[in-house]
Amino acid sequence: AQTVTQSQPEMSVQEAETVTLSCTYDTSESDYYLFWYKQPPSRQMILVIRQEAYKQQNATENRFSVNFQKAAKSFSLKISDSQLGDAAMYFCAYRRRGNAGGTSYGKLTFGQGTILTVHP
Amino acid sequence: DTEVTQTPKHLVMGMTNKKSLKCEQHMGHRAMYWYKQKAKKPPELMFVYSYEKLSINESVPSRFSPECPNSSLLNLHLHALQPEDSALYLCASSQDRGQFANTGELFFGEGSRLTVL
Repeated sequence: AQTVTQSQPEMSVQEAETVTLSCTYDTSESDYYLFWYKQPPSRQMILVIRQEAYKQQNATENRFSVNFQKAAKSFSLKISDSQLGDAAMYFCAYRRRGNAGGTSYGKLTFGQGTILTVHP
Repeated sequence: DTEVTQTPKHLVMGMTNKKSLKCEQHMGHRAMYWYKQKAKKPPELMFVYSYEKLSINESVPSRFSPECPNSSLLNLHLHALQPEDSALYLCASSQDRGQFANTGELFFGEGSRLTVL
């Protein structure tokens, strides 16, 4: 079974600084997705960034970037120039990719989450 | 339209009541999900519908009854719930068609906050 581990229950950062959230996962699959989702206190789960395992290049989305180390099964999220609106619970998640017929996509497996506080 | 819409946003019910949670998406997604989430915990998967058929039931008690009337709608019928069932219930959908054009992500609704008295 796949597992996702986030070893930092809470993190804090000063506004405009950079913070890195850690995530490791365990799988025997070779083709999968990794995600970082953000859930602010307003509660809607929003996708921050996605990485496909077959892509060697690390994904970036504006101030958000990942460090994807496939061999080490590590997937950390770096938030640059942190803003007050970045304060939220962040979940790392894994999902097995489906086959060409579109079936057998795996369940989304979440880590335990990291609560990020941003100080003004 | 990239939204998953859930109603109601808040629901308070007694242990003998019958109520329903509703979820709707118009993105043409073929998979829809119900999750239960307790405070400061990750969502726990309850049910998955794929092409309008129940494909996964994570051993959820029968007091929760899902229904998928069509590819855009998902309901969760609630009956004889317990106080420990109080939680945020999240609906999600995903495309799950094809392989290389698929982003694999789940789109989540805002959730229905359920309180059982």
